[in-house]
Amino acid sequence: DSGVTQTPKHLITATGQRVTLRCSPRSGDLSVYWYQQSLDQGLQFLIQYYNGEERAKGNILERFSAQQFPDLHSELNLSSLELGDSALYFCASRLAGDSEQFFGPGTRLTVL
Amino acid sequence: QQQVKQSPQSLIVQKGGISIINCAYENTAFDYFPWYQQFPGKGPALLIAIRPDVSEKKEGRFTISFNKSAKQFSLHIMDSQPGDSATYFCAAFTGGGNKLTFGTGTQLKVEL
Repeated sequence: DSGVTQTPKHLITATGQRVTLRCSPRSGDLSVYWYQQSLDQGLQFLIQYYNGEERAKGNILERFSAQQFPDLHSELNLSSLELGDSALYFCASRLAGDSEQFFGPGTRLTVL
Repeated sequence: QQQVKQSPQSLIVQKGGISIINCAYENTAFDYFPWYQQFPGKGPALLIAIRPDVSEKKEGRFTISFNKSAKQFSLHIMDSQPGDSATYFCAAFTGGGNKLTFGTGTQLKVEL
């Protein structure tokens, strides 16, 4: 158990809908990262937050957004969903000054 | 642009054999090179990591070999066991860039 929690574990929705994925980092970790894992694209970095502020952006679509709240949990919002958004979404957290990222168990999103 | 190239895509090894997975990178700003192990339905978990100031790091049956001049690093799994069957990802991190760049993954199967 990495100490990073993600909810929900599975999510099934329809095209055009909007969903919110939630992540709670390890206690004390200020950095939260979001990744998308699909069969054809592998693990892709989406976005990073540090103590409530956006720090780095990767291959995140404009339909996707994220935020980190004062209690350090983070949410990834996916809107106008398309079939191609079906994937595993992972959250990871990192202690300031350390390099290691700890991954959560992921949320499997299926868009029908 | 794929910044971390990983090979092979899949690997079958007999129990007790040596599994070798290779990665190559392009960005010389990378300063931390972790390997992650992922079982089906789980998030990636850190296996072992190395920094570019050392050429080899060993932890139990797992060894990273690092060649800075060639910009290559590899994972060796000695005495491979069926329980090692998983997908392995190499990655590279730059503190300045604040993100992990992953290789495409290697699906390892250890047969009895």
